[in-house]
Amino acid sequence: QQPVQSPQAVILREGEDAVINCSSSKALYSVHWYRQKHGEAPVFLMILLKGGEQKGHDKISASFNEKKQQSSLYLTASQLSYSGTYFCGTGPFSGSARQLTFGSGTQLTVLP
Amino acid sequence: DAGITQSPRYKITETGRQVTLMCHQTWSHSYMFWYRQDLGHGLRLIYYSAAADITDKGEVPDGYVVSRSKTENFPLTLESATRSQTSVYFCASSLPGQNIQYFGAGTRLSVL
Repeated sequence: QQPVQSPQAVILREGEDAVINCSSSKALYSVHWYRQKHGEAPVFLMILLKGGEQKGHDKISASFNEKKQQSSLYLTASQLSYSGTYFCGTGPFSGSARQLTFGSGTQLTVLP
Repeated sequence: DAGITQSPRYKITETGRQVTLMCHQTWSHSYMFWYRQDLGHGLRLIYYSAAADITDKGEVPDGYVVSRSKTENFPLTLESATRSQTSVYFCASSLPGQNIQYFGAGTRLSVL
């Protein structure tokens, strides 16, 4: 079953912050975040495992809330290069990318 | 370092025709995947393969056929194309136990 991402789209100015949520009706074991720039292939950002710590990648970080069965991606002080569609993928306990179920994506637009 | 390549990048075909999309990777990754990407649905798994001669259905396999006689190739065939198969198709690969899927650049298919 596909995880649900919210919001579907967000527009912000350079330097502003954004949060993208990924929720699942089933138990979450691992959450994989990808970013796809317009016309390009999706690219891996980070993975969060159940029981693991919050991850960070430059000014992009993510958390895993086991009780809510939700992961959130935080983009702070957004840059123009952050524009794109962000996908979360839910996976097995091991964190393997063997078989992921992706959400429908969140389109992020950063304006100058 | 060629990575993962898809061909053709663009394809226009007619309803009822057979179409084969090619995917080739140079990393010797054992896992390979085919996704379709449609607006509002994100990435949906069509088929995946754990190794040569081992394939399995994903979320939306109907109307598609795959084969994997060699580790590096994973072609996707639409036996009788329908308009509903108009989409962008992505191939991806991964190593067992690895938590990253590497995506190809995609094939944009239009069925008229």
